[in-house]
Amino acid sequence: KNQVEQSPQSLIILEGKNCTLQCNYTVSPFSNLRWYKQDTGRGPVSLTIMTFSENTKSNGRYTATLDADTKQSSLHITASQLSDSASYICVVSLQTGANNLFFGTGTRLTVIP
Amino acid sequence: DSGVTQTPKHLITATGQRVTLRCSPRSGDLSVYWYQQSLDQGLQFLIQYYNGEERAKGNILERFSAQQFPDLHSELNLSSLELGDSALYFCASSADRSGRGLYNEQFFGPGTRLTVL
Repeated sequence: KNQVEQSPQSLIILEGKNCTLQCNYTVSPFSNLRWYKQDTGRGPVSLTIMTFSENTKSNGRYTATLDADTKQSSLHITASQLSDSASYICVVSLQTGANNLFFGTGTRLTVIP
Repeated sequence: DSGVTQTPKHLITATGQRVTLRCSPRSGDLSVYWYQQSLDQGLQFLIQYYNGEERAKGNILERFSAQQFPDLHSELNLSSLELGDSALYFCASSADRSGRGLYNEQFFGPGTRLTVL
């Protein structure tokens, strides 16, 4: 069964600290993996997208890694800011089929001063 | 600003009623996706249209329907509304030319918050 699981479900960190969010998936055949940031009540915004041949991709203070062998991805946030408070969603795509996106339920990150 | 617009921003209605949510995709995007997000829940894919034709269906109830018009804007119709239909409804569009959404990023609109009383 194609599934995407994210951990932790929620996380609270101090401003300026680093954190890592995890995404494990069983989706196959794998096409690509995306991380989205969703502020409360707003639409998700793409942070990174990686295909199976990419191990890491950065977007400012956000760095995503992908291990296609173990079917794991992580999103590392460096020097967190209050504006990083949001839900982070992992989305995995199949290679085939029209209804081919699988969403994780997200990690709710709260950055406190 | 993603370039995807959704109206209305908020909608309050009663059980049993029918509402229509509207989405305008980014200029040039042929694919439109609809999602439902209930309180503290993940995004649930409802339906995708590509260049006016239905391309994929997700967990969309029979009381819900959608369409994409020749100018590429899309509407999601929700009927016989129930309390459980209260949620954020997002529209997303992508430049994917194949309609399969394999590689092209989806750009999400700001959402419509539906409250059913």
